[in-house]
Amino acid sequence: KNEVEQSPQNLTAQEGEFITINCSYSVGISALHWLQQHPGGGIVSLFMLSSGKKKHGRLIATINIQEKHSSLHITASHPRDSAVYICAVRGGDDKIIFGKGTRLHILP
Amino acid sequence: DAGVIQSPRHEVTEMGQEVTLRCKPISGHNSLFWYRQTMMRGLELLIYFNNNVPIDDSGMPEDRFSAKMPNASFSTLKIQPSEPRDSAVYFCASSPPIWGGTEAFFGQGTRLTVV
Repeated sequence: KNEVEQSPQNLTAQEGEFITINCSYSVGISALHWLQQHPGGGIVSLFMLSSGKKKHGRLIATINIQEKHSSLHITASHPRDSAVYICAVRGGDDKIIFGKGTRLHILP
Repeated sequence: DAGVIQSPRHEVTEMGQEVTLRCKPISGHNSLFWYRQTMMRGLELLIYFNNNVPIDDSGMPEDRFSAKMPNASFSTLKIQPSEPRDSAVYFCASSPPIWGGTEAFFGQGTRLTVV
């Protein structure tokens, strides 16, 4: 079993829908990171979380340390949000572990 | 700032050749990370530096891989000798404090093909 599990693996939705991507982890962590990888391959850092919630534009990230779970939400989704979203955690031993990513496709 | 700059963007080389990938972090960032991405294994951290010192190189696959950071504005990842299984996209990223304190900024990646 992977130490970082993302769900769903693939998600197709219509423009305007509210999107939720989940990340569960099984190790103690000091921080969790959400990354976005564009179809062209470039990677953008979205959020770094150690507790609570962060918001940037239409993106919201939450983390529940007790439940070892984080969610990334996209409100009013748009085709330009189509990308792979990757969750990564920094474990207690300073190792960085990546999830396998969620491929999101927003249809116009 | 131009962001994290990696070179070359694409590299095709023959098996057995030495390959050197280069990275210029964002000025003022004191943490630098090298990642590898493949279809099979996804994104993996190879090594990271803090203040030019390698902190964790446990992700470096084997002795054929080496990374250096001679100064705060430059790092290299070298593969010698290269093998076809090294074909991947290699990303470099930098961040102000060590990873976990803030978001990291990624370069555009170097797509390496070893034939």
